[in-house]
Amino acid sequence: AQSVTQLDSQVPVFEEAPVELRCNYSSSVSVYLFWYVQYPNQGLQLLLKYLSGSTLVKGINGFEAEFNKSQTSFHLRKPSVHISDTAEYFCAANQGAQKLVFGQGTRLTINP
Amino acid sequence: DTGVSQNPRHKITKRGQNVTFRCDPISEHNRLYWYRQTLGQGPEFLTYFQNEAQLEKSRLLSDRFSAERPKGSFSTLEIQRTEQGDSAMYLCASSVDLYGYTFGSGTRLTVV
Repeated sequence: AQSVTQLDSQVPVFEEAPVELRCNYSSSVSVYLFWYVQYPNQGLQLLLKYLSGSTLVKGINGFEAEFNKSQTSFHLRKPSVHISDTAEYFCAANQGAQKLVFGQGTRLTINP
Repeated sequence: DTGVSQNPRHKITKRGQNVTFRCDPISEHNRLYWYRQTLGQGPEFLTYFQNEAQLEKSRLLSDRFSAERPKGSFSTLEIQRTEQGDSAMYLCASSVDLYGYTFGSGTRLTVV
């Protein structure tokens, strides 16, 4: 069964510092990968997705992610974070089936 | 496009009572999904509709749970004889394809 692992449950960073949120997936076949952000008491908002093509994917709010097939990773990055980026971030994978499989989430906390 | 709407936003119920949640998807989206998210975890797939047909159900969906999507429009998720373990955020999402779900804000259920 497909699984998604987010290696850090919490990541604290200072404002304007760079950040990387790590995600690994298990799959031996083609996979579609996603990053979602969840603000408190809200649903999930799509940040970016990898379907095929260029391995560097740019999303909203200045985020980007790199698909690495050999390392089965899809890490999310932002060169300079803002207080407003404080939220829970979820990596998800879809192996061509109808459902997304989510990681457990990474809580990003931005300190002034 | 008013997004995916879920009602109610919050529901507190006594153990053993029945509850029903409603999801109104984006009008042109023929696919509708229900997920459950417990505290500190990523969303878990519950069930999927394409138009009015329920095509997949997770084993998480015990016989106390039932979902419908009459006429392929809105959907309802009913939980009978609620248990404390049913306390969670119930998320609805809709899409036109496999590549971009739009999530609602969720219904938070608390069983006391």
